[in-house]
Amino acid sequence: GAGVSQSPRYKVAKRGQDVALRCDPISGHVSLFWYQQALGQGPEFLTYFQNEAQLDKSGLPSDRFFAERPEGSVSTLKIQRTQQEDSAVYLCASSSLGYEQYFGPGTRLTVT
Amino acid sequence: KNEVEQSPQNLTAQEGEFITINCSYSVGISALHWLQQHPGGGIVSLFMLSSGKKKHGRLIATINIQEKHSSLHITASHPRDSAVYICAVGRGNNDMRFGAGTRLTVKP
Repeated sequence: GAGVSQSPRYKVAKRGQDVALRCDPISGHVSLFWYQQALGQGPEFLTYFQNEAQLDKSGLPSDRFFAERPEGSVSTLKIQRTQQEDSAVYLCASSSLGYEQYFGPGTRLTVT
Repeated sequence: KNEVEQSPQNLTAQEGEFITINCSYSVGISALHWLQQHPGGGIVSLFMLSSGKKKHGRLIATINIQEKHSSLHITASHPRDSAVYICAVGRGNNDMRFGAGTRLTVKP
């Protein structure tokens, strides 16, 4: 595909459920980023991968959040035991090393 | 204080007006980005710049490194320009800081 894709686009979860959000980066992009965007706010950094290595996970808000990119391509962001404060748009972006980031359409997560 | 501040937060304009959105930052950067976000969440990168000025169609972005300030201008604005415009500063491969965005509404 031409761009970054994310699935699902919308997810409604009951409080306490686990969710998994998928990101397909642009083919060949080494870097992959996850961001969390609360309503009315700018995105905030969650974690960064270079190929399959998770080089920075300082933005993950709690140990309920886990991200992986096992083969250096597709990435999954998993949130365990979802809470209402996890409701946000989760954005994925990819880039060639050091170049501008290309963003996916985001996954809007609503925890009820 | 946020590291990236945008103004105004909200902006309403009439079609055809010249629009300016401002961004100030307080950290050292490698590049500054202007992003456009339409309802539904998708983000499109408009500009990445580290000095001077860039122009693309009706959009112009400028940056003053000494003053740590950037502006995004839209000439002859159109209702389809209605979106949230986000300023973001890159500080390296894995460090990008975002402003809260400016919500632009252009009325016909």
